[in-house]
Amino acid sequence: NAGVTQTPKFRVLKTGQSMTLLCAQDMNHEYMYWYRQDPGMGLRLIHYSVGEGTTAKGEVPDGYNVSRLKKQNFLLGLESAAPSQTSVYFCASIRGLADNEQFFGPGTRLTVL
Amino acid sequence: LAKTTQPISMDSYEGQEVNITCSHNNIATNDYITWYQQFPSQGPRFIIQGYKTKVTNEVASLFIPADRKSSTLSLPRVSLSDTAVYYCLVGDIPGSGSARQLTFGSGTQLTVLP
Repeated sequence: NAGVTQTPKFRVLKTGQSMTLLCAQDMNHEYMYWYRQDPGMGLRLIHYSVGEGTTAKGEVPDGYNVSRLKKQNFLLGLESAAPSQTSVYFCASIRGLADNEQFFGPGTRLTVL
Repeated sequence: LAKTTQPISMDSYEGQEVNITCSHNNIATNDYITWYQQFPSQGPRFIIQGYKTKVTNEVASLFIPADRKSSTLSLPRVSLSDTAVYYCLVGDIPGSGSARQLTFGSGTQLTVLP
């Protein structure tokens, strides 16, 4: 099993550009999450999904959109990137409510100029 | 959101036992206590989770007093590879329907010295 994978690993954008980050998990997990981590800080929840076709807002959702068209994939979109969105983005998944262990991907380092 | 307080940093030497204490005074009845480890340029990794008393697994122990307002992560005989940031989280997983979602604080930077 590959676990949780993220694409791309690195990306540099100019202000106003758009992009999509892809998270994929092969563990048949129901719940998936997108976090951002800024230097010296903990992770903050952007959006999450409790199942295929469902999404919900987390702590810092503004400027981001998400989609979960397939159970194994969770996409994070930036429609018009801003320098404030420069961060490391982590995706995570959980099997279900009975299991609180989150499995994290390796992260995507995004720089917005 | 459940708020946690941890030391910003700790130093230890190889072979010593390390105890990291987390304060969570507003913990709710249904909240679990979860600890994660994060190495530079990697995603966090689950270490241990507990509700009350003591929990032990192959890498750590978690001690929770009766009032549950604090918890202590114990790492036995640390090595250089245990140098990482350790996060204490209190709450329930996002999507559970609980308003008390798990949130990551700033964590504790543990540095193990030779």
